[in-house]
Amino acid sequence: EIVLTQSPDFQSVTPKERVTITCRASQNIEDRLHWYQQKPDQSPKLLIKYASQSFSGVPSRFSGSGSGTTFTLTINSFEAEDAATYYCHQTGSLPRTYGQGTKVEIK
Amino acid sequence: EVQVVQSGGGLVQPGGSLRLSCIASGFTFSSFWMSWVRQAPGRGLEWVANIKEDGSQKYYMDSVKGRFSISRDNSRNSVYLEMSSLRPEDTAIYYCARDGETWLGPPGYWGQGALVTVSS
Repeated sequence: EIVLTQSPDFQSVTPKERVTITCRASQNIEDRLHWYQQKPDQSPKLLIKYASQSFSGVPSRFSGSGSGTTFTLTINSFEAEDAATYYCHQTGSLPRTYGQGTKVEIK
Repeated sequence: EVQVVQSGGGLVQPGGSLRLSCIASGFTFSSFWMSWVRQAPGRGLEWVANIKEDGSQKYYMDSVKGRFSISRDNSRNSVYLEMSSLRPEDTAIYYCARDGETWLGPPGYWGQGALVTVSS
C-alpha cells in the first residue's frame, strides 16, 4: 500500500499569504497524485488532478507541482474562503490512498 | 451540470446490512468509473471501492472485501454499495463519486454523503 504523508498537519495563515502543502509518497506514483479541499460538513472538492492540472472551475490561485514521490499544492494569495482541510490522493496503485490531511486556518 | 445524488444510510446493528444508492446526471454515465469513499467521524478520507464503466471490473479495500459489493445499472444511471456483516468501525459518511474515464482518474464529482452508523 502506498502511504501518503502530508506536511504540515496544521497551518495558520494570514490573508494574501502564500501557502504551501507537501505530500510525500512512499513509492513512485509518477503524476497520479490529486489534491482536494474539504470544508466542514461539505463533500470534498477536486482542485488539482495529475499533480498539476487544474480541475474545472478552480480559482487560478491554486496550483500543483511535483512528480514521483514529492508533490506540492500552492495557494497564492490565501483568501478567507480557502480555510479548509486539504488532502492529497493517489490513484497510481491499489488500494487508492489519501494523505492524513492538512488543516489550514485563518490567523 | 454534473450531479451525483445519494440515498440510503442510517442506523444499523453490528452484523446487519444496508444498501446505499447513488444516481448521477449531466454526463454519459456509462463512460465513467464510479467510486465509493468514506470518512469516519472526525477522520480523513478512505477509498472503499470502485467499478468500471461496464461493471466488468470491481476493486475493494481489504477490510471490506467479502462484506461489501459495488454494482451499477447503466440504464438507471445508478451505482450501489451493498454492505453486510457491518462492524462499528464501518461507521462513517459514505460518499459516491464520479471517477475519470480510466481507472486512474480521480473522483471529480461527489455526492452529498450518507451517514452510516453501526451501533447496538
